[in-house]
Amino acid sequence: GENVEQHPSTLSVQEGDSAVIKCTYSDSASNYFPWYKQELGKRPQLIIDIRSNVGEKKDQRIAVTLNKTAKHFSLHITETQPEDSAVYFCAASEGGYGFKTIFGAGTRLFVKA
Amino acid sequence: DGGITQSPKYLFRKEGQNVTLSCEQNLNHDAMYWYRQDPGQGLRLIYYSQIVNDFQKGDIAEGYSVSREKKESFPLTVTSAQKNPTAFYLCASRPGQGYNEQFFGPGTRLTVL
Repeated sequence: GENVEQHPSTLSVQEGDSAVIKCTYSDSASNYFPWYKQELGKRPQLIIDIRSNVGEKKDQRIAVTLNKTAKHFSLHITETQPEDSAVYFCAASEGGYGFKTIFGAGTRLFVKA
Repeated sequence: DGGITQSPKYLFRKEGQNVTLSCEQNLNHDAMYWYRQDPGQGLRLIYYSQIVNDFQKGDIAEGYSVSREKKESFPLTVTSAQKNPTAFYLCASRPGQGYNEQFFGPGTRLTVL
């Protein structure tokens, strides 16, 4: 079945530095790739997503890139701030036709002030 | 945030007892999901439902059961057959087919004593 691998499991950066989280997926039919942020004690919330017909998408300090050939996608956070500290999950699904979404194991990001 | 609710927030169960977790949404979403979250393992799909009176097993359905009698409600029963039920359970909903995000409830933390 579909599998999504996410790396690293933990990431620690200095405030102002960039952070990169990488994911790979196995099902070539996947065409929708959302990223969720879960702050401590709270529910996951969508921060950015990308469809397979796009290679890159940016929203202020966060960006996501997708390489369909290699089946991997990445989250980039620039100018990190302490409030970026959270667990980040990547996910993959057949956005247009399917309902099942498979999540990566998560990356715990620490931003040191 | 009030669009999808879960109750109770904390639940304690004795070994051998079945317990039902509630999930309600007023977002008029077709699809609903149950995930289990354990440390370091991300979000694992238990069951999902695309429409009323229909549901599908996810990756870790053994020891769980669900029903979808109403569009708004998707309760999860953790049975005594689930060998390691202590976990954080998240319910989510989604409008339906299409490239759209899942909205998560606040979660229920189940502890088996």
